Amino acid sequence: AQTVTQSQPEMSVQEAETVTLSCTYDTSESDYYLFWYKQPPSRQMILVIRQEAYKQQNATENRFSVNFQKAAKSFSLKISDSQLGDAAMYFCAYKKNFNKFYFGSGTKLNVKP
Amino acid sequence: DAGVIQSPRHEVTEMGQEVTLRCKPISGHNSLFWYRQTMMRGLELLIYFNNNVPIDDSGMPEDRFSAKMPNASFSTLKIQPSEPRDSAVYFCASSPTKHEVADTQYFGPGTRLTVL
Repeated sequence: AQTVTQSQPEMSVQEAETVTLSCTYDTSESDYYLFWYKQPPSRQMILVIRQEAYKQQNATENRFSVNFQKAAKSFSLKISDSQLGDAAMYFCAYKKNFNKFYFGSGTKLNVKP
Repeated sequence: DAGVIQSPRHEVTEMGQEVTLRCKPISGHNSLFWYRQTMMRGLELLIYFNNNVPIDDSGMPEDRFSAKMPNASFSTLKIQPSEPRDSAVYFCASSPTKHEVADTQYFGPGTRLTVL
């Protein structure tokens, strides 16, 4: 069974600082996809970044980057130069081809001015 | 390009009433997913369709819940009869599938359901 674990229910970061959100997953598959979604107070689920497991290079989207460690089944999200608008719930998700997504329980990120 | 559209955005109903939630996926996407989000249980997948066919409905809580996708541009999630414990935010998401490559899910804004 595939499970996704986010061990940090809540984190805080100072504006302009860097924060890393952790995610681990359990799978016996070798080919799959990993995602980070952001859910601000508006409740809209917004894709932040995605990673294909067959790619060794870590994905990057502007201030957002991941540290993908396939052997360790770890997929952490790094947010650089944190902004007030980054405050939200962040969900890590796993998906195999044609199969459903598995979401973690989420990490609430607070950004302090 | 319009994203996933859900209606209504908010629904307040009384216990025992029928509730119908609607979703229009992104044009060209052929997978559609219904989720329920609560504080206690987080984000739960209820059911998903591929090419209008239900593939996995193991997350549907009980027989009071049903979902249909009569065509590629419309899906409904129905609760009959509704109960207070059904109160939650219900999300619809769609995803393009290209050959054997699964792609990202795009979420609608959600429907906040309150059952009194």
